[in-house]
This record gives sequence, structure tokens and C-alpha cells, in this order.
Amino acid sequence: DQQVKQNSPSLSVQEGRISILNCDYTNSMFDYFLWYKKYPAEGPTFLISISSIKDKNEDGRFTVFLNKSAKHLSLHIVPSQPGDSAVYFCAASAVGNQGGKLIFGQGTELSVKP
Amino acid sequence: ETGVTQSPTHLIKTRGQQVTLRCSSQSGHNTVSWYQQALGQGPQFIFQYYREEENGRGNFPPRFSGLQFPNYSSELNVNALELDDSALYLCASSLGTTEQYFGPGTRLTVT
Repeated sequence: DQQVKQNSPSLSVQEGRISILNCDYTNSMFDYFLWYKKYPAEGPTFLISISSIKDKNEDGRFTVFLNKSAKHLSLHIVPSQPGDSAVYFCAASAVGNQGGKLIFGQGTELSVKP
Repeated sequence: ETGVTQSPTHLIKTRGQQVTLRCSSQSGHNTVSWYQQALGQGPQFIFQYYREEENGRGNFPPRFSGLQFPNYSSELNVNALELDDSALYLCASSLGTTEQYFGPGTRLTVT
């Protein structure tokens, strides 16, 4: 049972435009969500996180939105740059377990074209 | 500040053998988590160690075991290797309940 789903395996965006990556989850006990970026031959790099008590968190070009009623979160990258091309994973953890078990989605490969 | 490091980078083993993977956590971090990432999938949680004690385990058989040392470095041991164990093994460190920071991973191939 896939508790965290990223339904788009790939996304292609023009440089300078907005990239929107989506993630859905099924477990209502999840209360902390994270986005990671992964380049080939490297480990995932932490990008941004959000607690379930918020609906938006912003860090520079990256903004994460959380819609708890829809069990949906999204990552917005504005403006997109060619260096953003990578695989993006969303991850979630459950109540009282922020530093514990992370459940990952399957990833979305973002390609930003010059 | 030194990030998370893992060794070796690549490893080839034969089915039935045993393997030990190593991880050095980021300076100041006391928690280490291990993940298995199969091709085309997201990382799957194996287990976590906090101050040398196992602090949670995913859906992996007992032949996957681990250790954390007083300096917070860690080992992942896998006995009786199977072909399906071929994957990227990722170690992540954190300071208690904070974001996890990943190492570059060890690519294990079982033939």
C-alpha cells in the first residue's frame, strides 16, 4: 500500500517558468512533510519542509503548499532554472515521529529546458 | 562541518554472502536512519538508531541488522544476500526530531 504517491513520473518545464510538483498521501496520521531533490549518483538533498499546522512554507524560490483536507501537497519552484533538473521526492512522517521513519513517494523527474 | 559519508561507494556480492555498509553521521547529529532505494522507487525505511539503540524498524527481515557506535557512526549488515537486495543503500543523519540529511549512498549489486 503506497501511503505517499507522486503520480507524475516526469515533468518538463521551460527555464524561468513555474514548476509544480504534486504529492498525495493517504495516512491522516502524517503531520510533517518534506521535499528532497536527488541528482544521479548523489544522496537526496533536503529542500523544504512543512508541519501540518501550516498550509504554506516558503524558502527563496521554493514554496510548499499543504491541503490537509485533500491530503495533498505541492512544491512550487519559481523561477525554474536548468540546475533544478533532478528527481524530486516528497516524504512524510507520522505524529510524534518527526525525526523517525520517513515514507517516500516514487519521485518525479523534473527537466528544466533552457 | 562534515556531511554524511558512506563507504564503500559500490559493492558486488554473490547471493548468500554477507555485507557490511558503513556510515558516518554529520557532525553534531545523534540519530542515523538507513533506507533502501530500488531502481525507479523512492527510498524505503529500514531502521533508525538513536544514541546506540534501535528506534524504529521498517518492513525488513531480521537478516537486515545494524549498529550505532558511541561516535554516532553506524553499520548496516545484511546476511544471506538475495538478488532482490540489489539496491542503493542510503544513510541519513539528524539531530533528534529534525530533518534528515542523506549521504551519497552505497550501490550494492548481488549476483
